[in-house]
Amino acid sequence: DSGVTQTPKHLITATGQRVTLRCSPRSGDLSVYWYQQSLDQGLQFLIQYYNGEERAKGNILERFSAQQFPDLHSELNLSSLELGDSALYFCASSVSGPGEQYFGPGTRLTVT
Amino acid sequence: GQQLNQSPQSMFIQEGEDVSMNCTSSSIFNTWLWYKQDPGEGPVLLIALYKAGELTSNGRLTAQFGITRKDSFLNISASIPSDVGIYFCDGGSQGNLIFGKGTKLSVKP
Repeated sequence: DSGVTQTPKHLITATGQRVTLRCSPRSGDLSVYWYQQSLDQGLQFLIQYYNGEERAKGNILERFSAQQFPDLHSELNLSSLELGDSALYFCASSVSGPGEQYFGPGTRLTVT
Repeated sequence: GQQLNQSPQSMFIQEGEDVSMNCTSSSIFNTWLWYKQDPGEGPVLLIALYKAGELTSNGRLTAQFGITRKDSFLNISASIPSDVGIYFCDGGSQGNLIFGKGTKLSVKP
């Protein structure tokens, strides 16, 4: 158990809809990262937050947004969903900046 | 931008064999991290390397931080079925975080 929690574990929704994925980092970790992993693909970095502020941005679509709240939990919002957005979405956390990351169990999103 | 190339992309080995994989980059890194992902699970940190030339072991796993700081190697000795999974390297870089595409390991009992 990494100490990182993600909810929900599974999510099935229709095209055009909007969903919110939630992540709670390990106790004491200030950085949260979001990754997308499509079938048989590597981990695509989406975005990083550090202590509530956006720190780095990867290949995140404009339809996607994220935020980190004062209690350090983070939410990833995916809107106008398309079939190609079906993937595993992982959250990871670290003490401060990039380095050793601890991953959550992931949210499997299926867009039908 | 920074690119991490992992080799080989996949391996099919017999139980008991040793495994070697590597990760190379066009950029210099100050940290190399190796993760393993079991099917349907989140990656788990295996080994972290912080100094060029460093050799670190974790049980049957040994990883090295290349002298040029542009590569890293992971070896698994005497593989067992539970070694199956995808092994990712990470340069621990600031900014646009990039993981290698992974080496998929399959072990035949």
